[in-house]
Amino acid sequence: GDSVTQMEGPVTLSEEAFLTINCTYTATGYPSLFWYVQYPGEGLQLLLKATKADDKGSNKGFEATYRKETTSFHLEKGSVQVSDSAVYFCALSDRGNTGKLIFGQGTTLQVKP
Amino acid sequence: DTGVSQDPRHKITKRGQNVTFRCDPISEHNRLYWYRQTLGQGPEFLTYFQNEAQLEKSRLLSDRFSAERPKGSFSTLEIQRTEQGDSAMYLCASSLRLPYLIDQGLNTEAFFGQGTRLTVV
Repeated sequence: GDSVTQMEGPVTLSEEAFLTINCTYTATGYPSLFWYVQYPGEGLQLLLKATKADDKGSNKGFEATYRKETTSFHLEKGSVQVSDSAVYFCALSDRGNTGKLIFGQGTTLQVKP
Repeated sequence: DTGVSQDPRHKITKRGQNVTFRCDPISEHNRLYWYRQTLGQGPEFLTYFQNEAQLEKSRLLSDRFSAERPKGSFSTLEIQRTEQGDSAMYLCASSLRLPYLIDQGLNTEAFFGQGTRLTVV
């Protein structure tokens, strides 16, 4: 079945460092891809999404490009802040009518001042 | 606050007891989803509704679990005869499914509540 694999965490960076969190997926067809973020004590929030190959999703300085050839959707940010410390989840949604999401296991990011 | 709300936020129960959780979706959303999240893992799909109809159930949803959305608005998730393995965060999400997007194969985004953390002792 469909699945999502994320890089193991935790990831610890200094403020203003470059961030990459790897995400690869396995799916039949052409899914939509998402990054969700969970800040401490809060619910999951959609960070960005891409619905077709070569689309780039972006929000709050984060970017991810839908790469069909490598089945990847890596999350990047050029300069992280302490406030970016959170758990990041990569997810896919198939192109059927359900809208259900399949999540990776999550990657914890800790940014130190 | 017009987001997805869940109640209670925390529940501690003894093994064998029944528990019920409630989810109030965003008011105009016709889709409602339940997920379960255990420590260190991503959320796993349990079931979803379109209006009041329950359209899919995961094999994770044993016969001790039942979900309802009687009027197509709020939903409840009941767990009977709780077991320690049921301890998890239960997440609710809602979305608006627009008919004209279906043929394009596009889904609207899901908005999540803060979850109900269940601890079975």
